[in-house]
Amino acid sequence: QKEVEQNSGPLSVPEGAIASLNCTYSDRVSQSFFWYRQYSGKSPELIMSIYSNGDKEDGRFTAQLNKASQYVSLLIRDSQPSDSATYLCAVLSGGGADGLTFGKGTHLIIQP
Amino acid sequence: AAGVIQSPRHLIKEKRETATLKCYPIPRHDTVYWYQQGPGQDPQFLISFYEKMQSDKGSIPDRFSAQQFSDYHSELNMSSLELGDSALYFCASSSGATAYNEQFFGPGTRLTVL
Repeated sequence: QKEVEQNSGPLSVPEGAIASLNCTYSDRVSQSFFWYRQYSGKSPELIMSIYSNGDKEDGRFTAQLNKASQYVSLLIRDSQPSDSATYLCAVLSGGGADGLTFGKGTHLIIQP
Repeated sequence: AAGVIQSPRHLIKEKRETATLKCYPIPRHDTVYWYQQGPGQDPQFLISFYEKMQSDKGSIPDRFSAQQFSDYHSELNMSSLELGDSALYFCASSSGATAYNEQFFGPGTRLTVL
């Protein structure tokens, strides 16, 4: 069974600091990795996608992937109170129009 | 930019009733996915369609069925509703059907079964 593990938190980070979110996955053949942000009662919003080992940067966000360790992370620089949300790690193991397997999410709180 | 449209946004049904949820993907997206998210849970994949054909199947109960139409919109039909079906139902869409396609989620339909 495919599993995606995240620390549920809450993770509390001061405003302006770097928030670091981590995710591990069990299926070694997983190909694609995504980070979604979800505010309470709202839909998941895609923040980053990453497919190959290394870092991928987009604005204040950096995704990191290490397939050998089956590990994905998301760094949020200059954290803002509006970044307070649940961050979902999602993994796609198959090809085609396969469904995502989500972790249970990390609740991030940015303290003003 | 146009997003995924879902209707209705809220739905209240009685046990054993039937519900139909609709999803209109982002223009030029040909792949649709359905997810169910219970309170305090992560989204669980139900079913997906690519070019009007069922592509992948997750934890969708036999009481549920879905299809994708010629205009690429999709409908999720839920019968014999149970209290445990109360959840947020999200539709997502993508362009194409490869491992590198990003899925964009709609606002969801909140289903309450009484």
